[in-house]
Amino acid sequence: EPEVTQTPSHQVTQMGQEVILRCVPISNHLYFYWYRQILGQKVEFLVSFYNNEISEKSEIFDDQFSVERPDGSNFTLKIRSTKLEDSAMYFCASRLGTGYGYTFGSGTRLTVV
Amino acid sequence: EDQVTQSPEALRLQEGESSSLNCSYTVSGLRGLFWYRQDPGKGPEFLFTLYSAGEEKEKERLKATLTKKESFLHITAPKPEDSATYLCAVDNDMRFGAGTRLTVKP
Repeated sequence: EPEVTQTPSHQVTQMGQEVILRCVPISNHLYFYWYRQILGQKVEFLVSFYNNEISEKSEIFDDQFSVERPDGSNFTLKIRSTKLEDSAMYFCASRLGTGYGYTFGSGTRLTVV
Repeated sequence: EDQVTQSPEALRLQEGESSSLNCSYTVSGLRGLFWYRQDPGKGPEFLFTLYSAGEEKEKERLKATLTKKESFLHITAPKPEDSATYLCAVDNDMRFGAGTRLTVKP
């Protein structure tokens, strides 16, 4: 069964450093998403991406964050100047189209120290 | 304002004790309502999509139903392996409810 692949599974970074979280969505999917989940809290929407541009973003997704689809297979989330409160599990998801369910990756656990 | 509200926050059942989880939504022109299961430390796993009031879908011990204002996830004769957090979301805004944490004790 096709799956969404996220790397790395766990990343530890110093406060103020930049990190790039990587995702390989399912190959024929057209819509891509990033969510985050702080430990013990709800899954929070960050951004959606379609047709090589951001289609929607939440209030969490400020200038510190950016997304990119550098080639036909990867989808990345960059976090500049990380803060302690950025520590969370970050999930990538993709789907074929609106009305279809999302397929989530297994997440990247980001720890900012 | 939250468009999706889930209740209860947590539910503890004995194995075999059937129950229902609720997801209330306030969007108009619902494009689809999703149910997901999330195990600790893992990504949400897709269960169902419901599109219109009156629709029902089943998978093993789970049945999801939809009305114009809410959706229910019915769990029949649950087993300990059904323990997880169950999430719902509406397609209109891609945001998830806070989830119901289900624990099924043997």
